Amino acid sequence: QVQLVESGGGVVQPGRSLRLSCSASGFAFSNHAMHWVRQAPGKGLEWVAVIWDDGSTKYYTDSVEGRFTISRDNSKNTLSLQMNSLRAEDTAVYFCARETISEAGTWNWFDSWGQGTLVTVSS
Amino acid sequence: DIQMTQSPSSLSASVGDRVTITCRASQRIYSYLNWYQQKPGKAPEVLIYATSRLQSGVPSRFSGSGSGTDFTLTINSLQPEDFATYFCQQTYSTPPWTFGQGTKVEIK
Repeated sequence: QVQLVESGGGVVQPGRSLRLSCSASGFAFSNHAMHWVRQAPGKGLEWVAVIWDDGSTKYYTDSVEGRFTISRDNSKNTLSLQMNSLRAEDTAVYFCARETISEAGTWNWFDSWGQGTLVTVSS
Repeated sequence: DIQMTQSPSSLSASVGDRVTITCRASQRIYSYLNWYQQKPGKAPEVLIYATSRLQSGVPSRFSGSGSGTDFTLTINSLQPEDFATYFCQQTYSTPPWTFGQGTKVEIK
């Protein structure tokens, strides 16, 4: 079955860096765009970044543009998020999510999610 | 960026009730609207995609409707396992694909 497992979270000081990973299994990883979505404690979901299935295109939410880099290794079925210049407001549970597209290619949604990894930015 | 506004932010309901949650987009998103359910400490799970299409395995008491800027998630005959937080998400055009702020459904 489809499985997404995040790792790499922890406590980090403001201004430092952290790298998250998401290990995928049970599906053709290279056929799906992949996303990072985060959730601050007690708050809602915030979309963070996406990378196309072939890695050719990436988008970021404004608040992380220039600080975070999404990447993937299709040979290792791994998604990554390099987070630099971390701020207190980046504290959140980070989920990786698989995007699925309908057969006609019209609709898209996130049909599988990892369990999340907690990032705490604090001095 | 497209803003998504859900209402209410929370509601109390009883088992067997019909519950309606609304989601409004700041601009037209056609039918590019998905609904997710999240239980405490868990990852979100998709319920409905493309406004009204039920994800495989989701009970038929969940339904979605709307188009353009206004959308609705309806839960018919609320069950104990439905007490959770619900999020809408738009996936129109290019990212960011924003979420609503969530609606928490609590037991009355």
